[in-house]
Amino acid sequence: EVQLVESGGGLVQPGGSLRLSCSASGFTFSSYTMHWVRQAPGKGLEYVSGISSKGGSIYYADSVKGRFTISRDNSKNSLYLQMSSLRAEDTAVYYCVRGSSSFDYWGQGTLVTVSS
Amino acid sequence: SYELTQPPSVSVSPGQTASITCSGDKLEDKYASWYQQKPGQSPVLVIYQDSKGPSGIPERFSGSNSGNTATLTISGTQAMDEADYYCQAWDSSTAIFGGGTKLTVL
Repeated sequence: EVQLVESGGGLVQPGGSLRLSCSASGFTFSSYTMHWVRQAPGKGLEYVSGISSKGGSIYYADSVKGRFTISRDNSKNSLYLQMSSLRAEDTAVYYCVRGSSSFDYWGQGTLVTVSS
Repeated sequence: SYELTQPPSVSVSPGQTASITCSGDKLEDKYASWYQQKPGQSPVLVIYQDSKGPSGIPERFSGSNSGNTATLTISGTQAMDEADYYCQAWDSSTAIFGGGTKLTVL
């Protein structure tokens, strides 16, 4: 069974940093492109970032470019999102997602709240 | 930047057919995917590559994509289908989501 489990969310002050992690199991993690998608409270889905199976290609939404860094460790079956210079508008549930042309498995999400 | 537009809400009676549209410039040149999200849950893929259904998704879910519009169709809609639905496509290596449509079954 495919499982994606996010961790690392919490309350952080504006301008602060946070690192999200996603632990994957039930599939060959190193064979799949992985992504982060977020959802602000009561709002729709927003793409954040993606990384190819070996890490050679990385993609960011304009809204996070220069502030967020995606990475992966295939030896640990883990995906990461380093977030810095956080803003109130970054407040959202962050989902770890598997997929190439579509997103076929989603984690349960981890809530990031940016507030003073 | 590329945008996908969905109606905010759609209502359907149980047993009837629900259609949810997603509009974008020359959308037919891209693959459209659809996701279902129920309150407090993570999204679930229900249609990919315009019209393909993942394993485990009921056959009453179908999709099409032509011109500037992709359509998710739910035949014989059931109460359990009440949810938010999002379309998604790729543009310049970035995933674009529609704003979402709340499907009400009443």
